[in-house]
Parts: sequence; structure tokens; C-alpha cells
Amino acid sequence: GQQVMQIPQYQHVQEGEDFTTYCNSSTTLSNIQWYKQRPGGHPVFLIQLVKSGEVKKQKRLTFQFGEAKKNSSLHITATQTTDVGTYFCAGQEESNFGNEKLTFGTGTRLTIIP
Amino acid sequence: DTGVSQNPRHKITKRGQNVTFRCDPISEHNRLYWYRQTLGQGPEFLTYFQNEAQLEKSRLLSDRFSAERPKGSFSTLEIQRTEQGDSAMYLCASSLNPPGLNTEAFFGQGTRLTVV
Repeated sequence: GQQVMQIPQYQHVQEGEDFTTYCNSSTTLSNIQWYKQRPGGHPVFLIQLVKSGEVKKQKRLTFQFGEAKKNSSLHITATQTTDVGTYFCAGQEESNFGNEKLTFGTGTRLTIIP
Repeated sequence: DTGVSQNPRHKITKRGQNVTFRCDPISEHNRLYWYRQTLGQGPEFLTYFQNEAQLEKSRLLSDRFSAERPKGSFSTLEIQRTEQGDSAMYLCASSLNPPGLNTEAFFGQGTRLTVV
């Protein structure tokens, strides 16, 4: 079955440093979504990427979808304490039916050293 | 509140007992997911529905787990003969999925199950 892996599993950065998490799927995706989960909270949607090679920005966050639609990355510039949490990618396998399930990655937990 | 609602928020049960959780999705959402999450892990897919049809159930899920979504509205997840390994956060999510389009999933607060 489809597997979605993320690296690194944990990342500790000084406040103000950059952060990147990478997501890799074992199968081609129709779209990739990114979620953030704060400690004690539930996953909250950040963004969706659909097109091969797509790049989207949200303030200090930059999201990329690979050309082969099997990998993605999230980059945060100049991290702040509010960025603390676990970042998950989630993908839907490409199919002819368009009703594939949403499979979550293993997550990258970001902690910030003030 | 028009978000995804899950009940109960917490459940402590003795090993061997049956438990049932309820999820009320956002009203116009046709897709509903159940995930299980343990500490430090990502949401693990359990099952999902498109309207009232259960499209897939994880192969990792034993026969003790069953889910329903009568009339395509709320859903229930039942675990029979609970085991300590079932202790986890059970998350429900819903989304609006027109044909050929995948949209964001909205999560509920989850039901935390502790089996003692």
C-alpha cells in the first residue's frame, strides 16, 4: 500500500533559523496537503498543492511539489516560537476515480530554542 | 459551532469492554475519515466513507473494529473486546470532495481512549 515518509523526524532550531521538512510518497500523488498540529491539538490544514513542480508561499512558509508528484517540501524562513508543532504532509494517490483516501506522513516535530 | 464534533472527548474502559465513538462532520461534507494517532506518530488511516458508502478499511484493522455512517451524516466507530494496544487518540475528519477534486480535511478534537 501507499506509504508517505517524512524526514527529519525531529528538528530543533534556534529562533530565527530556517527549517525544512521533506515528504516522500511511494506512489504518484494527485495532490499533496500540509497540516500543522500543535502540542495537544488536532491537525490543521495549511495548504494544498496539485500541479507538478508547483510552489506556493504563505508569508514565511514555502511549499513545493516535486516534478514527479511523489515528493514535497515545506520550508520555514526565520522561525518563530509560534511555529512550534508537528508538520505533516498528506497525499492522495493518483487514480482514475478521484476518490482515494488521504494518507498522512510520519511528521516532523519542530521545537524552537528561544 | 459548525466544525467537526467528536464524542466523547475522553473514554477510559476496562480491557475486554466494547466502546463506541461518534463523529458529526461538517454538514455539507460528503467524505468522512477515521484515523488513529498515538504519541509521536502521524494519523494512521483506519477507514473512510464517501456519503454512506465505506470505501476502504485499513488492512491493519482487526475485525474488532467497525464503522458506520448511516444516511451519510454522522458516523460511529465501535471497538469490541478492547485491548490495551487500542489506547490512542481517535480522530475524525471530514471534507468536501466533488468528483475528481480533493479538498482539505477538517479534524475534530478527537476521542482519547485509555484501556486499563
